[in-house]
Amino acid sequence: NAGVTQTPKFRVLKTGQSMTLLCAQDMNHEYMYWYRQDPGMGLRLIHYSVGEGTTAKGEVPDGYNVSRLKKQNFLLGLESAAPSQTSVYFCASIVGWSPSMNTEAFFGQGTRLTVV
Amino acid sequence: SQKIEQNSEALNIQEGKTATLTCNYTNYSPAYLQWYRQDPGRGPVFLLLIRENEKEKRKERLKVTFDTTLKQSLFHITASQPADSATYLCALMNTGFQKLVFGTGTRLLVSP
Repeated sequence: NAGVTQTPKFRVLKTGQSMTLLCAQDMNHEYMYWYRQDPGMGLRLIHYSVGEGTTAKGEVPDGYNVSRLKKQNFLLGLESAAPSQTSVYFCASIVGWSPSMNTEAFFGQGTRLTVV
Repeated sequence: SQKIEQNSEALNIQEGKTATLTCNYTNYSPAYLQWYRQDPGRGPVFLLLIRENEKEKRKERLKVTFDTTLKQSLFHITASQPADSATYLCALMNTGFQKLVFGTGTRLLVSP
């Protein structure tokens, strides 16, 4: 049982290049999230999805796009990378929602992205 | 604006003492609050969840309190050990049960 898997683990981009980060979960979870983590900033929510075919903006969505074409995959795209997007990116998933569920978020191992 | 604040300075304590970490929030109406542990180079790992109608939750050496009037949660680790050294993050799920947002985290250092 792999849980949440992020691809790639490391990447160096030049300013202006594009790339896609892949998050895959094998737990049949409905909700998926993309965060970025910078020193002293905690985890900041970029985009999230509450089901296949749905996406929504988080706290820091500018410069990023996402897609959830399949339930198990959540893709994060950078169309034109900027040095300000240098960060560690984490994906997370939650089984779904009802007030009585004792749900927890499962995280991937992170993707360390450097934009030069 | 909405904020989730945790002590940015590291908390240094001696082994065996109780560590207390604080999470304060503004302009949120959380359905529940969670605490996570994060080790260097790893993703956060879930520890505890407490709902808006609960005052306290315990799990082994961990205790969480939730005061929706003060808009604050306290996270306690009793009989702390060096292995408890990590960054601890609080997270809120909004009442729409969609967005999960995190605080800035507090680094805990437990000395032998």
